[in-house]
Amino acid sequence: EAQVTQNPRYLITVTGKKLTVTCSQNMNHEYMSWYRQDPGLGLRQIYYSMNVEVTDKGDVPEGYKVSRKEKRNFPLILESPSPNQTSLYFCASSFRGLNEKLFFGSGTQLSVL
Amino acid sequence: TQLLKQSPQFLSIQEGENLTVYCNSSSVFSSLQWYRQEPGEGPVLLVTVVTGGEVKKLKRLTFQFGDARKDSSLHITAAQPGDTGLYLCAGEGEYGNKLVFGAGTILRVKS
Repeated sequence: EAQVTQNPRYLITVTGKKLTVTCSQNMNHEYMSWYRQDPGLGLRQIYYSMNVEVTDKGDVPEGYKVSRKEKRNFPLILESPSPNQTSLYFCASSFRGLNEKLFFGSGTQLSVL
Repeated sequence: TQLLKQSPQFLSIQEGENLTVYCNSSSVFSSLQWYRQEPGEGPVLLVTVVTGGEVKKLKRLTFQFGDARKDSSLHITAAQPGDTGLYLCAGEGEYGNKLVFGAGTILRVKS
């Protein structure tokens, strides 16, 4: 089944403790992206990647890192999480870019205490 | 920064009623997408409109892109409880490779 898989679904952590949210897609998509969703603000793009080893900042990249060493994986790294990064995170992918259908993962609910 | 404003924020209606959700901006978008999101899941693409004035239909849902490509609407005819969810519009930004999302409209259809 074609899908975007995020792990974990839920994560509670403490300020400053490094964490990684994994994202994997099995559709051979070139484009991948991370969003955060907050009430009243919609989804905001954190980082995106057009292909392997090509990443770029979205609208809210501060406090986050990403890497794209393989086509299928696009992990989101929080080196030193802070409470304002408590949010619902979504990974998404498409074949080449935004003019093609974007597939979303099921989300990761992160709470930073 | 391009912004998309959706209205209304919340909508609670009876089964069988019609409704319209609006998505407005002062900016021009290359294309506009509509998504539906259910609790605990990611957004699912419903439709993409590309041409100014374009109208697309998906069963009881009608999507329209404004002539100037700055706004869009989603009209649902004879709403059903299964239509309940969060509806999001998203515009492809002027610089490409970015989607600007509206804050969403929460729709509840009561039986």
